[in-house]
Amino acid sequence: EVQLVESGGVVVQPGGSLRLSCAASGFTFDDYTMHWVRQAPGKGLEWVSLISWDGGSTYYADSVKGRFTISRDNSKNSLYLQMNSLRTEDTALYYCAKDMEQQLVGYYFDYWGQGTLVTVSS
Amino acid sequence: EIVLTQSPATLSLSPGERATLSCRASQSVSSYLAWYQQKPGQAPRLLIYDASNRATGIPARFSGSGSGTDFTLTISSLEPEDFAVYYCQQRSNSDTFGQGTKLEIK
Repeated sequence: EVQLVESGGVVVQPGGSLRLSCAASGFTFDDYTMHWVRQAPGKGLEWVSLISWDGGSTYYADSVKGRFTISRDNSKNSLYLQMNSLRTEDTALYYCAKDMEQQLVGYYFDYWGQGTLVTVSS
Repeated sequence: EIVLTQSPATLSLSPGERATLSCRASQSVSSYLAWYQQKPGQAPRLLIYDASNRATGIPARFSGSGSGTDFTLTISSLEPEDFAVYYCQQRSNSDTFGQGTKLEIK
């Protein structure tokens, strides 16, 4: 059974930093591109970032480019999101999501975690 | 950036009725469109990908159609568990989601 478990969400002040983690199990982690998708309270979904299965390619939404860094450790079946220079508009539930296609950057998300809440507030 | 516009914002129907949800793209996304279902307090679930392919385990009452800029998600006969928010998503150019359609019980 595929499982994705996010952690690291807390309340942080504007300008602060935070690192989110996602622990994956139930599939061959290093065969799949992984994504972060966020959802502000009561709002819709926003794709944030992706990292290819081998870590060789990363992409970011314009809204986080230059502030967030995605990474992965395939030896630990883990995905990370380093978030710097946080803004109030970054407040959201952050989901870790698995790409549907093996060793491709497919952009469809077939498994999702339950999310970790990041609140940026003074 | 490709903008996806979903309509209607809210759809009120009864169990057993047919639901038709629309997603329009600001420019062609070919068939690179997916639909997700999200229930309160839950993560989204992939229903349809590449416009018309059902994801694993999705009931046959869910179907998708369209290409280019106009897409439709159809639920042939609503079950009580189908009342939720539905999002479309394009993967043709980077990645964007529509704003969602809330399907509520009438």
